[in-house]
Order: sequence, then structure tokens, then C-alpha cells
Amino acid sequence: EAGVTQFPSHSVIEKGQTVTLRCDPISGHDNLYWYRRVMGKEIKFLLHFVKESKQDESGMPNNRFLAERTGGTYSTLKVQPAELEDSGVYFCASSQVYGMNTEAFFGQGTRLTVV
Amino acid sequence: AQTVTQSQPEMSVQEAETVTLSCTYDTSESDYYLFWYKQPPSRQMILVIRQEAYKQQNATENRFSVNFQKAAKSFSLKISDSQLGDAAMYFCAYRTDSYNNNDMRFGAGTRLTVKP
Repeated sequence: EAGVTQFPSHSVIEKGQTVTLRCDPISGHDNLYWYRRVMGKEIKFLLHFVKESKQDESGMPNNRFLAERTGGTYSTLKVQPAELEDSGVYFCASSQVYGMNTEAFFGQGTRLTVV
Repeated sequence: AQTVTQSQPEMSVQEAETVTLSCTYDTSESDYYLFWYKQPPSRQMILVIRQEAYKQQNATENRFSVNFQKAAKSFSLKISDSQLGDAAMYFCAYRTDSYNNNDMRFGAGTRLTVKP
């Protein structure tokens, strides 16, 4: 069974440009999460989808970030326009159910560098 | 607010030896789960072990075990008989059953190096 996959694995863009990150969750997983880790800091929650609906987007830093999950399958996270502080590793995770004991399956992350 | 602290940015261990990674957390909740995740270089992050706060017995998964001290809000990970494949970033995480919190909370991570 394929795990959570993220594209691209690395992205280097200039300040002011747009970047779109993609996450393909494990098939059948209704719950999809985005997280971000800024260099040396903790991994921070960004948002949570249940199917195509945003269950919780309280972690999104500002309106330059837009997440979508059309059809409840893969998800995209677009940053427009990118700023230097957006650099970091963006993780996607998915789970079949939601609950505090649920194991979330993570992708390998997308390393975004804004120069 | 719930926070997770990993005070050791880097640790190293000799192959076949034992190492303990520290994690403390802050919460006002009574029931929650704690997790240790491992991320090898350029690989997916995987779950190593998890512990429910209501269970007094420390969780164990083969060479991995935890020392859960609820009163002290401490959740350390012990890796016995360390292997080269254990080299990775290790993240401690906390999760409770509340729709008002931001899902899973992570620490900053500990990079473990295993020396042959």
C-alpha cells in the first residue's frame, strides 16, 4: 500500500513568487493534515481536512496560504506571494479516523526555501 | 495552551548502547496521548511508540520503551541496543480529544546520531 506522498520534495523560489505543494494521502483516509516546521523549531499544525471540508484551519499563518482538497482526495497548499519566513519543511499527514489515539501517517515533507 | 519541549537538539550514541531522549509537556487536560515519531533523513516520519495518559504501565515496542511520569509531565524515549538505522530526527508529540485545540502538538525534535 502506498504511503502519503508529497510533491515536490524540494522547492526553491524567489520572494514574491507562487508555489503549490501537493499531498496525496493514503487511499481511503478521510482526514488530511498539513504541518510546517521552520528550521530548528517545532512542527506546527496548519489545518485539517475531513474529506473536502476544512475542519480546522486555525493554524494557517495568514491569507497568503490557501489549502484545497477538491473531491476529498489529494490536497494542495498554495503560498502566494511567498515571503522569506515561509521557508521550512511542510508535512502532510493522513488518517482514516480522527481521534486522540489515532496514528497519523506522514509524508516525507516538502522543503521550501524562499530566497 | 499545550506545549511540548525537547531540550536536547542533538544526541549521539554508540552502536549497541542505550540512549534516552527527553520530552516534557504542559497541559491542563487529564486524558491525552503521547507519541514518539521518527524521521530518517529524507524519509517519511513514522510512529515509534504511543502512550495513553490513563495507563500507568509504560509502553514498549521491541527495543523502544518510554518512561512516562504523568505528575512530572515527562515522557522520555529509551532506545536499547542502538542500531545504525535508528539514526534520525525524533519528535515527541501530544494529542488530546478536543476540537478546540490544534490537533497534534510537537516538540522541536532531537537529532540522534548512531556511531559505529
